[in-house]
Amino acid sequence: EPEVTQTPSHQVTQMGQEVILRCVPISNHLYFYWYRQILGQKVEFLVSFYNNEISEKSEIFDDQFSVERPDGSNFTLKIRSTKLEDSAMYFCASSSLKDQPQHFGDGTRLSIL
Amino acid sequence: AQSVTQLDSQVPVFEEAPVELRCNYSSSVSVYLFWYVQYPNQGLQLLLKYLSGSTLVKGINGFEAEFNKSQTSFHLRKPSVHISDTAEYFCAVSARSDDKIIFGKGTRLHILP
Repeated sequence: EPEVTQTPSHQVTQMGQEVILRCVPISNHLYFYWYRQILGQKVEFLVSFYNNEISEKSEIFDDQFSVERPDGSNFTLKIRSTKLEDSAMYFCASSSLKDQPQHFGDGTRLSIL
Repeated sequence: AQSVTQLDSQVPVFEEAPVELRCNYSSSVSVYLFWYVQYPNQGLQLLLKYLSGSTLVKGINGFEAEFNKSQTSFHLRKPSVHISDTAEYFCAVSARSDDKIIFGKGTRLHILP
């Protein structure tokens, strides 16, 4: 069964540095998403992306964050000038259509030191 | 806005016993409902979904859920659990006009031998 893959599985970064989290969505999917889960808290929506632009974003997704689909297969989340509170598990998801279920990757655990 | 309440943070159940994980949602618009499961050190896997039609939804691994609009509930059930069902279970809701999924806090299912 096709899967969403995320790399790396664990990223450790110094506070203030930039980090890029990578995702390869399921190949025929058109909608892409990022979520995060701070330890002990709910999974929270960050952003959705369709047709090479952001279609919806949460208040968490401020100017520190950006997303990109640099080629036909990758979908990236960039976090500039990381803060301690950015430490979380980041999940990528994709869906074939807007109202179809989202399929999630295994996540990238981001640790900011 | 939508919200999801999972009433139990942890549920211990003996192996081969039935289980019900409770979920209530709040929304002023029509929604889709989901249950996701997260096994240890893995990502979120879709268990089942309610999009429309029959209110009793069957999913993978013998799980089912019933959509009750009057009680705004979407409880998850399994008639006989196995040790392999040990995981965290997330109820989630999405407005039909939205991209994002709103997750509950999760219920950790402990299977007792």
